[in-house]
Amino acid sequence: AQKITQTQPGMFVQEKEAVTLDCTYDTSDQSYGLFWYKQPSSGEMIFLIYQGSYDEQNATEGRYSLNFQKARKSANLVISASQLGDSAMYFCAMREGIDSGYALNFGKGTSLLVTP
Amino acid sequence: GAVVSQHPSWVICKSGTSVKIECRSLDFQATTMFWYRQFPKQSLMLMATSNEGSKATYEQGVEKDKFLINHASLTLSTLTVTSAHPEDSSFYICSAIGGDNHEQYFGPGTRLTVT
Repeated sequence: AQKITQTQPGMFVQEKEAVTLDCTYDTSDQSYGLFWYKQPSSGEMIFLIYQGSYDEQNATEGRYSLNFQKARKSANLVISASQLGDSAMYFCAMREGIDSGYALNFGKGTSLLVTP
Repeated sequence: GAVVSQHPSWVICKSGTSVKIECRSLDFQATTMFWYRQFPKQSLMLMATSNEGSKATYEQGVEKDKFLINHASLTLSTLTVTSAHPEDSSFYICSAIGGDNHEQYFGPGTRLTVT
């Protein structure tokens, strides 16, 4: 079963606007971590933001914030004030407990295009 | 932040030959390294988990005799694609875990093209 679901294959947003990228997850672990990565056309994986399952506050990193709704098992990424350089693939990922060996499960990704 | 390098960044090889990809943690000791494969316009799929000094753990469907992984030291893991075929053409990305928080650092990836 898919552990990370990203339902938006592609998104458009106008420059300076905010955009929300959806992510839902499935786990029976109590302790887990949720990540968002950006992958530009060069292929490198750029870490954006992390949310631990026990973190009570939503994580924020500059223009990125994570809307964590634990009961709904969702971890949406919000990018505020979009910039042209934000155009890239965005992946949501989950790391489960120690038994998983700390490997990441990735969603299928969302392609974001920021237009002028 | 911690740095992970991969070499080569891209490689073209002929069908039937073997290719070795190196993954190095440059400024920390990595207890565990992961190898992922990414086909065009798809997500990263975990291939195997590599622990220093022990045999790699392969994900279901990944042939261990085809994708040889050697984690010889705390800073180096290698992936050898043996008898490569065009369907092995892909983007291979390694990551390394270090530190008490088990944070994962990604290498820049290696683009393999088998002709």
